[in-house]
Amino acid sequence: DAGVTQSPTHLIKTRGQQVTLRCSPISGHKSVSWYQQVLGQGPQFIFQYYEKEERGRGNFPDRFSARQFPNYSSELNVNALLLGDSALYLCASSGGTGADTQYFGPGTRLTVL
Amino acid sequence: GQQLNQSPQSMFIQEGEDVSMNCTSSSIFNTWLWYKQEPGEGPVLLIALYKAGELTSNGRLTAQFGITRKDSFLNISASIPSDVGIYFCAGQRSGNTPLVFGKGTRLSVIA
Repeated sequence: DAGVTQSPTHLIKTRGQQVTLRCSPISGHKSVSWYQQVLGQGPQFIFQYYEKEERGRGNFPDRFSARQFPNYSSELNVNALLLGDSALYLCASSGGTGADTQYFGPGTRLTVL
Repeated sequence: GQQLNQSPQSMFIQEGEDVSMNCTSSSIFNTWLWYKQEPGEGPVLLIALYKAGELTSNGRLTAQFGITRKDSFLNISASIPSDVGIYFCAGQRSGNTPLVFGKGTRLSVIA
């Protein structure tokens, strides 16, 4: 079975632009979480979605938004990009119920110039 | 955002040596997880711990869930070059809550 997939792999944007990142969870998983990982740090939670509903949101500005589609895939949008948004953006999928383990995709490396 | 206290920050060891790293928190977690991340990849789950005091092994890796539920330990025995990477601990308060990560331990193995 395929694991969590993310696209694109790498992305270069300039300040002020907008970006959309995509994630497809493991087949059968209904929950998707997004994390931001800046260099030298552990991942930081941004959003969690389950059955298309937002279940949780981390301490990120309103420039960050996300949604989940009926097939459980998800998009993360970031508007008005800042240099500090440069990071590895990770998507994790889980079943969504009970003691769920989160499995991570390879990430999208975003560079803001 | 909150991060767990993970130590050591980095380690340089000889191939064949054993490795120990730990993770502490000021608050309780009901699940502890250990992930490994290699350059350009996402974290890969190594071991998941669900019960205070639990000791779980995965090959040469052994992890323990501290009795206070505020800490966890990971040991790697007889290290090999492919153990190189960054090891992250993560705590989870309940089954569907977000993971809180440590800053990672960077492991280098000298052949």
